[in-house]
Amino acid sequence: DAKTTQPPSMDCAEGRAANLPCNHSTISGNEYVYWYRQIHSQGPQYIIHGLKNNETNEMASLIITEDRKSSTLILPHATLRDTAVYYCIVMGNAGGTSYGKLTFGQGTILTVHP
Amino acid sequence: GAVVSQHPSWVICKSGTSVKIECRSLDFQATTMFWYRQFPKQSLMLMATSNEGSKATYEQGVEKDKFLINHASLTLSTLTVTSAHPEDSSFYICSARIVPGLAGIANTGELFFGEGSRLTVL
Repeated sequence: DAKTTQPPSMDCAEGRAANLPCNHSTISGNEYVYWYRQIHSQGPQYIIHGLKNNETNEMASLIITEDRKSSTLILPHATLRDTAVYYCIVMGNAGGTSYGKLTFGQGTILTVHP
Repeated sequence: GAVVSQHPSWVICKSGTSVKIECRSLDFQATTMFWYRQFPKQSLMLMATSNEGSKATYEQGVEKDKFLINHASLTLSTLTVTSAHPEDSSFYICSARIVPGLAGIANTGELFFGEGSRLTVL
């Protein structure tokens, strides 16, 4: 699976949008971009995933560049409860033999402050 | 939505004892589950892939005789830390891969993680 790079930490004011970048320049054509987050001492929580089109759900939006070498996770209105470590992961989709074997990088520590 | 449950959520044991951690998929079948370990201030590291009805596949550097994995049913995988030592103290997390095409649950591609089990070996 392709390696990803993320900034180690970011700050965001409560109520503002949090934009978390991720570089995945070696992503292959059949690999998806997944985002998870981990709140302290809990298991990772799925946020969103996408292949090449921008995606939006009730939690966040995912913007993937046209060349698919980078993406941005957007939390439109960050709250204090969004403080967590955010992981960007690249992986083949369901059906592949390696599906589910996630390689976690160091992620981005997002701190939302009042 | 699909839920993966781990038990116990935390455990303290004496050095030399064995500890079993359970990972259950509560409302779906999981032919494959994954076990991760996370040390303080570090990221999750994959330990092994647990396959229902067959032997687990271990990542390089993970001792299969120390971390015994059993996946006897489609809803349960267990990780047993044998002869635990203080350096085995860690946060152990499992995830489950849903059976593709399973009716009743939207397979949107996400994997489901348990809440984690914190092991402290004295």
